[in-house]
Amino acid sequence: NAGVMQNPRHLVRRRGQEARLRCSPMKGHSHVYWYRQLPEEGLKFMVYLQKENIIDESGMPKERFSAEFPKEGPSILRIQQVVRGDSAAYFCASSPLGQGGTEAFFGQGTRLTVV
Amino acid sequence: GENVEQHPSTLSVQEGDSAVIKCTYSDSASNYFPWYKQELGKGPQLIIDIRSNVGEKKDQRIAVTLNKTAKHFSLHITETQPEDSAVYFCAASPDTGFQKLVFGTGTRLLVSP
Repeated sequence: NAGVMQNPRHLVRRRGQEARLRCSPMKGHSHVYWYRQLPEEGLKFMVYLQKENIIDESGMPKERFSAEFPKEGPSILRIQQVVRGDSAAYFCASSPLGQGGTEAFFGQGTRLTVV
Repeated sequence: GENVEQHPSTLSVQEGDSAVIKCTYSDSASNYFPWYKQELGKGPQLIIDIRSNVGEKKDQRIAVTLNKTAKHFSLHITETQPEDSAVYFCAASPDTGFQKLVFGTGTRLLVSP
């Protein structure tokens, strides 16, 4: 049973370009969470999605960031018009449980560098 | 909202020694406290957790203690081995869902042979 798969592992974008980060949850998991980790900091929650629904986006910046988890295919975190401050590691986690579940499994992350 | 502080930021020990990492939290409603290990280039992995109705929990060489009155909890690793070298994160949550976890800033543990 493959774990949570994220791609790409490393992504370099110039300022102003778009970044698309993909996350395929573990088999049987229908809940996905995205986190951002800035250098030397802990993980910060961004968004929680279930298939075709955004459940909680309280950690998402109001502009340029969006996330989706379609009925088919991976979850996508999209960052438009990237800036240097977006450089970070982005992790997703998946869980078989919904509201109230406290355990999820992390992927290996996508390290975004904005030049 | 919840705020979690973690100390020390780096910890170097000799193989076989014990290592202790401490965290404090601010929200008295928090009642779920997991610890994650993150190896270089990998995602965080849950290694142990504790809920507020328990004061201590052990799993082989690792243990976690919780003091709800003082709002602090600690990770203890005994008989450390070089493969324990990693970054360790504590977290706290009011146990209403994984997305509510608030993470500490991490402790880089280095175990020297």
